[in-house]
Amino acid sequence: DAGITQSPRYKITETGRQVTLMCHQTWSHSYMFWYRQDLGHGLRLIYYSAAADITDKGEVSDGYVVSRSKTENFPLTLESATRSQTSVYFCASGLVSRNEQFFGPGTRLTVL
Amino acid sequence: AQSVTQLGSHVSVSEGALVLLRCNYSSSVPPYLFWYVQYPNQGLQLLLKYTTGATLVKGINGFEAEFKKSETSFHLTKPSAHMSDAAEYFCAVSDDATSGSRLTFGEGTQLTVNP
Repeated sequence: DAGITQSPRYKITETGRQVTLMCHQTWSHSYMFWYRQDLGHGLRLIYYSAAADITDKGEVSDGYVVSRSKTENFPLTLESATRSQTSVYFCASGLVSRNEQFFGPGTRLTVL
Repeated sequence: AQSVTQLGSHVSVSEGALVLLRCNYSSSVPPYLFWYVQYPNQGLQLLLKYTTGATLVKGINGFEAEFKKSETSFHLTKPSAHMSDAAEYFCAVSDDATSGSRLTFGEGTQLTVNP
């Protein structure tokens, strides 16, 4: 019963490279989210998805791409990484019937 | 647009003392309010939530919060701090009670508990 997992947990990359962060949940939750956490900003929503093949932009979506072909997976891609995308990225999921989002352990991304 | 302000990025208390973490929100519709806790190197965990009904909400680990509409506040309290309470705490607001709603988070308050 893994719940929600993220991989990799740590990633170092270079400016201009494409990076994909993976998120997998075992609960069949319909909603999934990507947030980034930066000092002084709390968590900010990057993208969210209401179901497979339904995604929408959040507050800070520029430079990011998502897909959701299966309910359980919600990968986040940085098309051309920039230093400003150095951050901790959290994936979350939730059911329509529950007033709660469940968070993964996070991915710490460093862009050099 | 919704917003959340957490007063004090760092709060330090002694073990056994009262914990008070402040949260004020702005919302154009009746809000749904949440407190999350983040322990080092972990994801966020829900402490408590207010959707409708009783304005005093009890959560896990002895925490509670009171929704005060007139003050647009949702402060988090615990009567007696424990060392294990040391963590970062986030207040969040949504305009929808479902888990599909978009959360707006405050900047967080780092709680230190001194022995």
